[in-house]
Amino acid sequence: KQEVTQIPAALSVPEGENLVLNCSFTDSAIYNLQWFRQDPGKGLTSLLLIQSSQREQTSGRLNASLDKSSGRSTLYIAASQPGDSATYLCAVLRKRGTSYDKVIFGPGTSLSVIP
Amino acid sequence: NAGVTQTPKFQVLKTGQSMTLQCAQDMNHEYMSWYRQDPGMGLRLIHYSVGAGITDQGEVPNGYNVSRSTTEDFPLRLLSAAPSQTSVYFCASKGEWANVLTFGAGSRLTVL
Repeated sequence: KQEVTQIPAALSVPEGENLVLNCSFTDSAIYNLQWFRQDPGKGLTSLLLIQSSQREQTSGRLNASLDKSSGRSTLYIAASQPGDSATYLCAVLRKRGTSYDKVIFGPGTSLSVIP
Repeated sequence: NAGVTQTPKFQVLKTGQSMTLQCAQDMNHEYMSWYRQDPGMGLRLIHYSVGAGITDQGEVPNGYNVSRSTTEDFPLRLLSAAPSQTSVYFCASKGEWANVLTFGAGSRLTVL
């Protein structure tokens, strides 16, 4: 059974800091891993998607890495801003045979960036 | 391109009532899914579908039914609502392989 965990559960940092959010999964048979952002009371917005054959993806101040063999992904946020305050969730698309089936989410990390 | 559309946005039910949450996407996505989100519990998968005519259970399927008669629509049915089903429900879809999972805006359900 695929289980996804995220550490830390909550994080509060001063503006300008670089920070790392962690995601772990128990089954390395994944097709891809995706990072999302969720603002309070809102839906989920996709940030980055990493295919199982890739090691990292970058978008602006965000960099996500994937180590499938150890079951870990990290989301690096450079020069954090108050507008980065949100909950960040990782999700894995489980591999099934030569195809895929379901997407399982971690519980999220709640980030607060203090001006 | 409307993306993923969920209706209704808000609904209040009494215990024992039935209702259907609608989800439609116009991106020709094969994969569609329903999640519920509760405080401190994260997003939990209810049911999912990898194509028209194919559905499967997720982590918390009890009390919910789904069907997938077309590629575009994936309704979620509550046959007899219970207070434990009070939650925010999200529908999501994705296309083949590399496509990202795209979410609807959510439906907030309260069961009294």
